[in-house]
Amino acid sequence: GIQVEQSPPDLILQEGANSTLRCNFSDSVNNLQWFHQNPWGQLINLFYIPSGTKQNGRLSATTVATERYSLLYISSSQTTDSGVYFCAVQLVTGANSKLTFGKGITLSVRP
Amino acid sequence: DAGITQSPRHKVTETGTPVTLRCHQTENHRYMYWYRQDPGHGLRLIHYSYGVKDTDKGEVSDGYSVSRSKTEDFLLTLESATSSQTSVYFCAISALPGQGGPGYTFGSGTRLTVV
Repeated sequence: GIQVEQSPPDLILQEGANSTLRCNFSDSVNNLQWFHQNPWGQLINLFYIPSGTKQNGRLSATTVATERYSLLYISSSQTTDSGVYFCAVQLVTGANSKLTFGKGITLSVRP
Repeated sequence: DAGITQSPRHKVTETGTPVTLRCHQTENHRYMYWYRQDPGHGLRLIHYSYGVKDTDKGEVSDGYSVSRSKTEDFLLTLESATSSQTSVYFCAISALPGQGGPGYTFGSGTRLTVV
């Protein structure tokens, strides 16, 4: 199956700093998503980004499918950005459909 | 999320007892999934469904069974709970990813403790 590696595994930032989270995957995919799990455990879908670049407020994501990686940028970080960020990928080839998740990046933003 | 509800939210059960977790959706999405989340492992797929009565195994399906008798409900059953099944269980729903769909939406999770 597809392997997903996220780096770094842990990240500590001072409020206001910028950061880049990376996701590498081992095979061709036609679906890639970034999720944020907040400290209360809720999983929020941030981006659906199989290729290209998207922005949503202080967050943006870029996927270079041909080179098998995706980057999540967080600018002017806030304490509410803390939590775990998951990258998940998928190759949709037919009626069945499954996402493969990375192990996540734990982000702590300190005031 | 308002379109997907998991029940119960918390459960403590004894080893060897059967346990059923319920996932209910109001979005009429075709795909439904059960994951477990454990420290150091991230999210791992247990079972998924691609339609009513159509289910398949994920990567950690041993000890679990599922049923989907109608579009809105996907049940996960632990036939005889073991301590290794202590975990947080998440249900997810989706339209058709890879075709411009809205992507996955997760429920709030069920924290299961097997003692």
